[in-house]
Amino acid sequence: GAVVSQHPSRVICKSGTSVKIECRSLDFQATTMFWYRQFPKQSLMLMATSNEGSKATYEQGVEKDKFLINHASLTLSTLTVTSAHPEDSSFYICSAPPLVGEGTEAFFGQGTRLTVV
Amino acid sequence: KQEVTQIPAALSVPEGENLVLNCSFTDSAIYNLQWFRQDPGKGLTSLLLIQSSQREQTSGRLNASLDKSSGRSTLYIAASQPGDSATYLCAANDYKLSFGAGTTVTVRA
Repeated sequence: GAVVSQHPSRVICKSGTSVKIECRSLDFQATTMFWYRQFPKQSLMLMATSNEGSKATYEQGVEKDKFLINHASLTLSTLTVTSAHPEDSSFYICSAPPLVGEGTEAFFGQGTRLTVV
Repeated sequence: KQEVTQIPAALSVPEGENLVLNCSFTDSAIYNLQWFRQDPGKGLTSLLLIQSSQREQTSGRLNASLDKSSGRSTLYIAASQPGDSATYLCAANDYKLSFGAGTTVTVRA
């Protein structure tokens, strides 16, 4: 299957600083990538849809000024958590579908464990 | 808005028993349904993908069924092993993936 690489896998940062998470599709092009967040013992919740060459679409309740998404190329999307606070500590994971529609299998990155201290 | 529910939330069985994990979704207009495994503190491993036109999909000891009209999918794991202990997530794909809360499985040796 297709490979999605996410980096870093773990990051600890101080409160008030910003953290950038990268999501790369290694062997296919992805015009769309999805960013999810998972709090402990909860399921994954979609945060935003990243679109190459245009603005990201955010789900209700997700602050677009706090979670900056840039989809600069067909193989790279980045999520920047700005002015991070302890409540932003979570597991962030990206996914990319090579194609849209029936037959689409979602491929996930390895995830990033963010701890804000 | 798609709502996905998984029952039970947790399951503990002795080694060798068959596992039955249930997933229900509210909007049947999906492209496919995907089952994942998640180990503690780790990412997702895709197990099975069932297209909307399919009724079931099999891989080794895993079998997943899909009844789109009733909004249900079931994951069967035959002859469970301690290595099957993990959280299993189902996700309905209607362009965006909507996840259930998962079923945490413990297989006792």
